[in-house]
Amino acid sequence: DIQMTQSPSSLSASVGDRVTITCRASQGIRNDLGWYQQKPGKAPKRLIYAASSLESGVPSRFSGSGSGTEFTLTISGLQPEDSATYYCLQRNNYPLTFGQGTKVEIK
Amino acid sequence: EVVLVESGGALVQPGGSLRLSCAASGFIFSNHYMDWVRQAPGKGLEWVGRVRNKPSSYTTEYAASVRGRFTISRDDSISSLFLQMNSLKTDDTAVYYCARSWTSGTHGALDIWGQGTMVTVSS
Repeated sequence: DIQMTQSPSSLSASVGDRVTITCRASQGIRNDLGWYQQKPGKAPKRLIYAASSLESGVPSRFSGSGSGTEFTLTISGLQPEDSATYYCLQRNNYPLTFGQGTKVEIK
Repeated sequence: EVVLVESGGALVQPGGSLRLSCAASGFIFSNHYMDWVRQAPGKGLEWVGRVRNKPSSYTTEYAASVRGRFTISRDDSISSLFLQMNSLKTDDTAVYYCARSWTSGTHGALDIWGQGTMVTVSS
């Protein structure tokens, strides 16, 4: 199985800050990676697909980058509504696997 | 509007069975692969399995944790996805989500999710 190691597990940042979350894959997965946002009690929502493509309707402050084994999700200009848990997902190989999640809190 | 609605969650005893359903609307269901994902209380997301579409012979994939106990199926005539869960364990307690995936191209996996249905396995 491909292991997805996500870091940090949690972070606290101020409104307007630039936030970066990293996912490392245990083997190369090309760009077969997505990023998801989940708020308490809600279903996950996909923000990014194919490592760097922004889902329609998602604010442009969200961006993704990377290929192979290292990927990043960046929030440029953190907003109060961005308080959530973020997950990466690899779809390169079965079983599909998620990172452990990063909880983002607003200071 | 693309919508997925799960149903069938319940409290069930260890060793019991349960069948979840997912009703799809707003897109051509038969064109897509469909997945189940679960989330235990306070934990992260775990992919459960997938059923491909007719051109791919409705073949399935499963996580090791559920293989041999869970069966995913679909009925394209009513745009519905199913998860038959047998020999349930307390570790299967989770919110179960259905999600849509694409068969190829960059749009990838799990782009649309349902709201989830809770399964509790307890005596």
